[in-house]
Amino acid sequence: EDKVVQSPLSLVVHEGDTVTLNCSYEVTNFRSLLWYKQEKKAPTFLFMLTSSGIEKKSGRLSSILDKKELFSILNITATQTGDSAVYLCAVAHSGGSNYKLTFGKGTLLTVNP
Amino acid sequence: DTEVTQTPKHLVMGMTNKKSLKCEQHMGHRAMYWYKQKAKKPPELMFVYSYEKLSINESVPSRFSPECPNSSLLNLHLHALQPEDSALYLCASSLQTGASSYNEQFFGPGTRLTVL
Repeated sequence: EDKVVQSPLSLVVHEGDTVTLNCSYEVTNFRSLLWYKQEKKAPTFLFMLTSSGIEKKSGRLSSILDKKELFSILNITATQTGDSAVYLCAVAHSGGSNYKLTFGKGTLLTVNP
Repeated sequence: DTEVTQTPKHLVMGMTNKKSLKCEQHMGHRAMYWYKQKAKKPPELMFVYSYEKLSINESVPSRFSPECPNSSLLNLHLHALQPEDSALYLCASSLQTGASSYNEQFFGPGTRLTVL
């Protein structure tokens, strides 16, 4: 069975802290791993990772994939209250001519002032 | 236009009603998706359309009926729903779904559905 496991499930930090969110996966025919941020509404896309060891960065956020150990991390430095959200990890994997996303349960990040 | 739009934003319906959710994108994406998301849970895939044909149905009950009239539009027809069907219904699109494609999915804002 395909599965995506995120840890921790929730995290409370103070502004300025650095956080690391984890995502491990076991799927058939891995294609890519995606990180999304979800506040009150729809998930918004952060990163898509397809190759091991290549860090992707966007401002204070960065992410890297390890395809040998089957995991990814999402780092957020100098956290701000606006970073409070659920961070979803999803793995795109294919079966036949289609691919679909399997989501982890998410990490609820709360950044206190 | 780089967004996925969904209407209505909120919908309250009785168990005997028939209603439809709509989703639209003008990014030239050829794959469109319906997800259901319950509170504090991740999105769960319901249907995938690829080039206007239904390619994945994740064993969704027949009271949910998807329709893809053209490459920009995706509908979800609802009939005889149950209170446990209350959830956020998310539409997403991606460039395509082929196994050789590594495409991120763009999500719409969702329709918050309440079934009384």
